[in-house]
Amino acid sequence: NAGVMQNPRHLVRRRGQEARLRCSPMKGHSHVYWYRQLPEEGLKFMVYLQKENIIDESGMPKERFSAEFPKEGPSILRIQQVVRGDSAAYFCASSPPGSYGTEQYFGPGTRLTVT
Amino acid sequence: GQNIDQPTEMTATEGAIVQINCTYQTSGFNGLFWYQQHAGEAPTFLSYNVLDGLEEKGRFSSFLSRSKGYSYLLLKELQMKDSASYLCAVRAASGAGSYQLTFGKGTKLSVIP
Repeated sequence: NAGVMQNPRHLVRRRGQEARLRCSPMKGHSHVYWYRQLPEEGLKFMVYLQKENIIDESGMPKERFSAEFPKEGPSILRIQQVVRGDSAAYFCASSPPGSYGTEQYFGPGTRLTVT
Repeated sequence: GQNIDQPTEMTATEGAIVQINCTYQTSGFNGLFWYQQHAGEAPTFLSYNVLDGLEEKGRFSSFLSRSKGYSYLLLKELQMKDSASYLCAVRAASGAGSYQLTFGKGTKLSVIP
């Protein structure tokens, strides 16, 4: 039973490029959460999605960031026109239906470096 | 708003006991979580407390006092592999935000021989 999968594990982008981060939740999980971890900082909530729905995006920057969780395929976090301040580790977590977020299983993260 | 405080670093000796404290001030409360995170890896779930008291799970125990806004994680019989960051996280009370976790900055524990 595979855990939460994220790819790529490491991503290097130049300023102005787009970054696409993928997250495949655990089998049977229909809830996905994205968190960002800046150096020396705690994990910060970004967005909570269910299949084809954004439930809570209160932690998402208003511009350049978007997330989706389509009916088929992984959840995608997209960052357009990246800047150096976007360099961070981005973690995805998933939880099963009915757990109300009490069981969040994290993936290994994608480390984004913007040069 | 949410504010979660925990010590930045701690050092303890192999075989000993260590207590990592966490205090929180939140607008609403619906549970406190502890996660372990080894460098460069995913946070892994350790414990969840929603009621006052002590929850024991093997070598790890977690305590919660909601009236004091306080929790601790107790690690017994420390092993070298316990060297990691320990993250305290709180879940808000209700609404769409009740699914998101608010994390402290983590406590980096170093276990020495």
